[in-house]
Amino acid sequence: QVQLQESGPGLVKSSQTLSLTCTVSGGSITSGGYLWSWIRQLPGRGLEWIGYINYSGSDYYNPSLMSRVTISVDTSKSQFSLKVTSVTAADTAVYYCARVGYNLGRSGYFDSWGQGTLVTVSS
Amino acid sequence: DIQMTQSPSTLSASVGDRVTITCRASLYITTWLAWYQQKPGKAPKLLIYKASSLESGVPSRFSGSGSGTEFTLTISSLQPDDFATYYCQQYNIYPWTFGQGTKVEIK
Repeated sequence: QVQLQESGPGLVKSSQTLSLTCTVSGGSITSGGYLWSWIRQLPGRGLEWIGYINYSGSDYYNPSLMSRVTISVDTSKSQFSLKVTSVTAADTAVYYCARVGYNLGRSGYFDSWGQGTLVTVSS
Repeated sequence: DIQMTQSPSTLSASVGDRVTITCRASLYITTWLAWYQQKPGKAPKLLIYKASSLESGVPSRFSGSGSGTEFTLTISSLQPDDFATYYCQQYNIYPWTFGQGTKVEIK
């Protein structure tokens, strides 16, 4: 059973860069053709998909965040990471990493999730 | 972006009730739709993918149906563990988007 665990600072100053890492265990980040994704949940609000990456580094981002977001992968450490630049209070959220499942050749649902980590942007 | 609209926003029900949650997509998404359950302080948990396929380990009282733009999640007999918030999510067109959630409360 694959497990994911987010790590990184819980407090980031406004205008700085938010950096989080997701460590994958119980399964290889390179096997199965899976995509690896970041999702955030704004306080008291719904869920927003941020983007994904595969083990070879091919990525795709939500256009609403694309100008400020980078997702990278380190297969040697079985990790993938998120960077969000120029953060504001609107980026305060619980950030989740997740594995993207696939069925009948179509990826897009999230079948395993990390526990989530709250990142607060302070002024 | 495809807008996913869930109804109702909140639902009050009793143990044993049959519960139905509706999710409507602003554009046609065939059956590329998933449902999740989220409890306070926890990550969402996948229940259903491809509109009606039950994720392994999920109780059979959960079922999904629909295609195109209208979908439903049904809990055939509500159990105490089912009081939570439920989200739908489309993965037909980028960016993948979620509904705003339906909270199932104890009546």
